[in-house]
Parts: sequence; C-alpha cells; structure tokens
Amino acid sequence: SQQGEEDPQALSIQEGENATMNCSYKTSINNLQWYRQNSGRGLVHLILIRSNEREKHSGRLRVTLDTSKKSSSLLITASRAADTASYFCATDFLGSGANSKLTFGKGITLSVRP
Amino acid sequence: DADVTQTPRNRITKTGKRIMLECSQTKGHDRMYWYRQDPGLGLRLIYYSFDVKDINKGEISDGYSVSRQAQAKFSLSLESAIPNQTALYFCATPPGELFFGEGSRLTVL
Repeated sequence: SQQGEEDPQALSIQEGENATMNCSYKTSINNLQWYRQNSGRGLVHLILIRSNEREKHSGRLRVTLDTSKKSSSLLITASRAADTASYFCATDFLGSGANSKLTFGKGITLSVRP
Repeated sequence: DADVTQTPRNRITKTGKRIMLECSQTKGHDRMYWYRQDPGLGLRLIYYSFDVKDINKGEISDGYSVSRQAQAKFSLSLESAIPNQTALYFCATPPGELFFGEGSRLTVL
C-alpha cells in the first residue's frame, strides 16, 4: 500500500506542552499534507510541504520533511485543549499528477488535557 | 456558505436499498473526490473525477457508482446497500489542498 502511516496512533499531553506526530510513506512524493479532523466533522487542511522543501511553519505548526527517510513530522507548539482532534497525513505520490489522488494515513488521535 | 456541501448528513437504511449521497461545490473546481472513512482505517478513495467526462475508480470502488451531473455536482450511489458499507463518507475538491464536506454518515442495517 502507498498509504502513509502515522505514529503514534494516540497521544495524550498536558496543555502547554508540545505535540509531535510522525508520518512515514513508501514511494516518492510530489507533496505531503497534514489535515485535522474534529470528532464527526470533515477534514480541514493544515499545511502542505512540497518534496523540495525541508521545513515549513504556519502559526504554532511546524512541519518537516525528510525525503531520504520518507518521513515527515508535525509539531504543534504550546498545545491547547482546542487542539484535541485526529490528525492525518496525506501523500500525493510522484507520477499521480498534481493532487490527483491523495492517499491518507489512518490518523493520530491527539488529546490535550486542560 | 460552505465550499463543499453534502446531503444527507445522516441516513439509516436497510440492506438491499439503493442510496444516493450528493455533493455540490461552489468554487468551480474541476476535480472532485469521494472518500470513505472507517474507524482505524483512515480515509480510502472510492471514486474521483477530473471533469464531467472523466470518472476514475479509486481504491475501493466495488459496490459503488458515481455520476458527475455537472461541474459542481458529484453523486455517489450504493445500488444495493450492505451492512459493511456503514461508514462516514466525504466529498472533497481541490485546488492544491483538499476542501472537505462535513460528511454523510450512512448506517446500513
């Protein structure tokens, strides 16, 4: 399967701490994206990092990409209770055309305790 | 108004019934997608469309069909629903990153 795999499956932290989530994939990519899903809701796009980028920031989010290890990490700094959600990485594989078939991982459940 | 609208939001039906889930988008995007989400399995692609005349099967198309009635509308049908099609269904559309609808929760008894 080309599906990305997130690690850990579940993460519980205290408010104010940093949360680090990882994603690994198997084949070369055009880009990798992270999405967030609140319980029972649609997914919301957080950040996209292209294969020629190594790091990207958006507010409290920091994403890194290591194409040699075929892995990415999402760091949420100074977490808040409102960050409690499921987080998914999605990969757009090289040769599939721009965003033609995003493949999603199984997700990470993040719980931030007040 | 939402960029991507799905109807119905919730539906309970019986085995063997025909079900249609509808999706509409207001942004004029060419590409539209249907995903299925099951607990612990993430999102899996059912069908995708690059334009009105271009329909493609995804990872798990068996038991499903689609219709792209217009650029803005992409419907997913279950011709004869079965219990293992109980899931949360999402429609999504580009550009760049995907914009998702709020989902259609389908329960097949």
